[in-house]
Amino acid sequence: GAGVSQSPRYKVAKRGQDVALRCDPISGHVSLFWYQQALGQGPEFLTYFQNEAQLDKSGLPSDRFFAERPEGSVSTLKIQRTQQEDSAVYLCASSLAPGGLSNEQFFGPGTRLTVL
Amino acid sequence: AQTVTQSQPEMSVQEAETVTLSCTYDTSESDYYLFWYKQPPSRQMILVIRQEAYKQQNATENRFSVNFQKAAKSFSLKISDSQLGDAAMYFCAWKGGLNSGGSNYKLTFGKGTLLTVNP
Repeated sequence: GAGVSQSPRYKVAKRGQDVALRCDPISGHVSLFWYQQALGQGPEFLTYFQNEAQLDKSGLPSDRFFAERPEGSVSTLKIQRTQQEDSAVYLCASSLAPGGLSNEQFFGPGTRLTVL
Repeated sequence: AQTVTQSQPEMSVQEAETVTLSCTYDTSESDYYLFWYKQPPSRQMILVIRQEAYKQQNATENRFSVNFQKAAKSFSLKISDSQLGDAAMYFCAWKGGLNSGGSNYKLTFGKGTLLTVNP
């Protein structure tokens, strides 16, 4: 079956522009996660959704970052007024069960964001 | 806060040989899971192997096995009969278990080890 998909795969933005990154989780998966992976680093947690509810947004770096999952399936990560330090790969993951019960997160291919 | 440390930024192995990737972690929780993920150049993270902390037996998945030393907080990955397709970044990750306090859903990753397989 289809895995987690993300679009676009690559995004180049000028500093100050707003961007929107999309994640399509595996159908039926309750939990959805966003991670940020800086160059040469491991992924770092940004936010977690259980269905449409955003239960944890503690990893979002600033109030310029906003995530939503209005119908409990597709999610969008929006970054306003992008800065160079926002350049990274943004990974989306989903899992079948609610977060604490989940033993495996399935990852998408990520969106590489470059801010010039 | 939990931390995961991978002390080997890069490793190389000859095809068909065995290689071990190191990982240590720090946590005060007793209920947790440990993972090894593979990230090829395509960037798609793939789960390689998982270990539940309450299990004493080391997990194995075909050519992949772990050496889980709970008291030492060590979780190394052994790849036997290395193949060219094993070349990738490997990340060690930690997640709290159902009975752990706080956020038991998010993964905490190490910085990764880049594995090169030489033909």
